[in-house]
Amino acid sequence: SAVISQKPSRDICQRGTSLTIQCQVDSQVTMMFWYRQQPGQSLTLIATANQGSEATYESGFVIDKFPISRPNLTFSTLTVSNMSPEDSSIYLCSVPRVGQRTRTLYEQYFGPGTRLTVT
Amino acid sequence: AQSVSQHNHHVILSEAASLELGCNYSYGGTVNLFWYVQYPGQHLQLLLKYFSGDPLVKGIKGFEAEFIKSKFSFNLRKPSVQWSDTAEYFCAVSSYNNDMRFGAGTRLTVKP
Repeated sequence: SAVISQKPSRDICQRGTSLTIQCQVDSQVTMMFWYRQQPGQSLTLIATANQGSEATYESGFVIDKFPISRPNLTFSTLTVSNMSPEDSSIYLCSVPRVGQRTRTLYEQYFGPGTRLTVT
Repeated sequence: AQSVSQHNHHVILSEAASLELGCNYSYGGTVNLFWYVQYPGQHLQLLLKYFSGDPLVKGIKGFEAEFIKSKFSFNLRKPSVQWSDTAEYFCAVSSYNNDMRFGAGTRLTVKP
């Protein structure tokens, strides 16, 4: 399994500002995921961050709003830009275990999350 | 695209009661199935998983789940819940070359 840490654990931000969330993994991983968990809802995948390439965004999420960096195999950042109250959520990074041969996505290991409140 | 449905939004039980949380998915191909648990203030943790083989899967803390392919279901069960089982439970599905999709979650409250 992987040990994942996130910074900050929580923040309260003003409308129109940006926040960068950091995700650190204790081992080298090719693929990292960023999720959003809105109040009372499930996890929604924002994007997949692969080292050395542009992040792949899911429908409804765009790079201008959620730029992602992946400078090395143990670290990634997600920025929530020009925030509005609708961005209030928990943001999670995760590391999947992917089958080498089948490319099947097996279990994921999750970070503790960053609880963001936008006022 | 695959989707996951959890029928119960909030379940309240007394200690020692039996638990069954429903999960259905929509995807015609081969799937991997998961239940994750999130205890208050803690990370999401893997409770159990099914890849292949025996459709009755046993996980940690006395939980089990049964994969019924004909019903596209993967219900979570525990014969006797404890107060410490109070948590949010998420069903999830992944398939070949796809990401993992999560259900909306079921909040379980166990009264002591």
